[in-house]
Amino acid sequence: NAGVTQTPKFRILKIGQSMTLQCAQDMNHNYMYWYRQDPGMGLKLIYYSVGAGITDKGEVPNGYNVSRSTTEYFPLRLELAAPSQTSVYFCASSGTARGIQPQHFGDGTRLSIL
Amino acid sequence: DAKTTQPPSMDCAEGRAANLPCNHSTISGNEYVYWYRQIHSQGPQYIIHGLKNNETNEMASLIITEDRKSSTLILPHATLRDTAVYYCIVRPLNYGGSQGNLIFGKGTKLSVKP
Repeated sequence: NAGVTQTPKFRILKIGQSMTLQCAQDMNHNYMYWYRQDPGMGLKLIYYSVGAGITDKGEVPNGYNVSRSTTEYFPLRLELAAPSQTSVYFCASSGTARGIQPQHFGDGTRLSIL
Repeated sequence: DAKTTQPPSMDCAEGRAANLPCNHSTISGNEYVYWYRQIHSQGPQYIIHGLKNNETNEMASLIITEDRKSSTLILPHATLRDTAVYYCIVRPLNYGGSQGNLIFGKGTKLSVKP
């Protein structure tokens, strides 16, 4: 029972580099989310998707892009890494947005931009 | 911004009940109360949710006041592994777009001590 799997677990980037954070879920969930968590703070929503081919911005989308070509995968792209993007990134999924389905989270990707 | 208020930290003796309060005085009639927790270096974990009745599952009990302006999460027999940050979140039952996303505040850091 894998649930939500995120890779890599850790990464160090140089300013200006690009990378893709991977997220996969095996629960056939329609809804997927990307959050970031800065030290000592709660989670903030970056982007979310309500199904394959449909994505939308959350609270802090600047500097990120997403795609959702399949139900299972929801990668997050950083095009020009900046120190302000140093954070822990969490991917989550839920069965539906309607109703009371809880969100299931991965264990996060710890990203440092130097 | 989070629609809930929680104490920043609490201590609890191992084996005793941990009672975590949450104030949500502006909660709407269609909003549920959710509780998640985040153990150090892990993704958030769903605990329980409720609308107006008290709820219990294998992890915890949720007591919601009659006016629904506050609630208490109860861990009946806290263990050292329950040390975590606990988040109280209100979320509407029916929503579209970004309204369904979880808004995390800073939560309550519960320390269970031997």
